[in-house]
Amino acid sequence: QVQLVESGGGVVQPGRSLRLSCAASGFTFSSYGIHWVRQAPGKGLEWVAIISYDGNNKYYADSVKGRFTISRDNSKNTLYLQMNSLRAEDTAVYYCAKGAVDTTWLCDYWGQGTLVTVSS
Amino acid sequence: QLVLTQSPSASASLGASVKLTCTLSSGHSSYAIAWHQQQPEKGPRYLMKLNSDGSHSKGDGIPDRFSGSSSGAERYLTISSLQSEDEADYYCQTWGTGIGVFGGGTKLTVL
Repeated sequence: QVQLVESGGGVVQPGRSLRLSCAASGFTFSSYGIHWVRQAPGKGLEWVAIISYDGNNKYYADSVKGRFTISRDNSKNTLYLQMNSLRAEDTAVYYCAKGAVDTTWLCDYWGQGTLVTVSS
Repeated sequence: QLVLTQSPSASASLGASVKLTCTLSSGHSSYAIAWHQQQPEKGPRYLMKLNSDGSHSKGDGIPDRFSGSSSGAERYLTISSLQSEDEADYYCQTWGTGIGVFGGGTKLTVL
């Protein structure tokens, strides 16, 4: 079965960096686009970024553009999110989500999330 | 601007039915959406893709009690025979050119 497991969250000071990982299994990772979606405490879901199956196309929400970088290693079935210049408003649970076969932009499987807290 | 609007809350009795609404912004009434469920303290779960003509395809293991329909810019999620485990937040999702969008979510309370 499809499994997505995020890791790398923690407490980080404003202005510092953090890298999240998402380990995928149960499907052919290299054939699907993958998303990062976040959820601030007590708030709704916010789409963050997407990367195409081959890593050649990447799109970002305006709120993270220029600070966050999405990448993938298909040989390791792993997705990454490099987060630089972190701000308090980046505090959230970060989820990775698999894109659907016919509509990459639709999230059809989700991980359980990893919490990032930006605080001094 | 592509925006999805949802009512913040809804409630219905155990065993009854409820219809949740997601409204697409002006000029985007032909867009498909997805519905997701998030139970307390859990990650989201994909429910279905819903097209503008009301046709929908559900995710793996989603019960028949969940169905979708469309009218103009409105996209609906109907849950029948409500169970206690249906108490959750429900989000709609859509996408445009280079952008993903989520609605603000509806918190469903089962009375």
